[in-house]
Amino acid sequence: EVQLVESGGGLVQPGGSLRLSCAASGFTFSSYSMNWVRQAPGKGLEWVSYIRNSGTIIYYADSVRGRFTISRDDAKNSLYLQMNSLRDEDTAVYYCARARTDLYGGIYFDYWGQGTLVTVSS
Amino acid sequence: EIVLTQSPGTLSLSPGERATLSCRASQSVTSSFLAWYQQRPGQAPRLLIYGTSSRATGIPDRFNGSGSGTDFTLTISSLEPEDFAVYYCQQYGRSPPYTFGQGTKLEIK
Repeated sequence: EVQLVESGGGLVQPGGSLRLSCAASGFTFSSYSMNWVRQAPGKGLEWVSYIRNSGTIIYYADSVRGRFTISRDDAKNSLYLQMNSLRDEDTAVYYCARARTDLYGGIYFDYWGQGTLVTVSS
Repeated sequence: EIVLTQSPGTLSLSPGERATLSCRASQSVTSSFLAWYQQRPGQAPRLLIYGTSSRATGIPDRFNGSGSGTDFTLTISSLEPEDFAVYYCQQYGRSPPYTFGQGTKLEIK
């Protein structure tokens, strides 16, 4: 059974930093690309970042580029999101999501964790 | 960047009825790169449909996706109590941005 378990969320002041983790199990983690997606309270979904299974290709949403860093440790079956210079508008539940590629090379998200809440407030 | 607009914002129906949810894109979606997700209260999103019309693993056949170009539809043929949730469409591709619609809330009438 595929499982993704996020951790590391909490309350942080504006300008502060936080590191999120996502522990994966039930599949060969090193074979899959991964994503972070967030959801502000009462709002919709926003894709944040993607990392290829090889770790060689990384993408960020414009809203977080230069402040957030995605990484992975295949030996630990773990995905990470280092968040720096946090802003009020970064307050959200952060989900890790496994990427799948369809027949035409498009990337969608087939399994999601339960999320971890990040609150940025003074 | 493609903007997705979902309608209606809220849909009130009874169990057993048919639900039709719409997702309109601001420009044509390449190669049917369109997915649908269900999110129940307090839960993570769950993949229902990818590639416009392919059901994900374990998804009941009452869920059907259709459409092309800029207009896409998720149809639930006969609503079960567990289907009342928020539904999001998403356009994806070989590279970002991966954008979501604002969601349609399906509530019990």
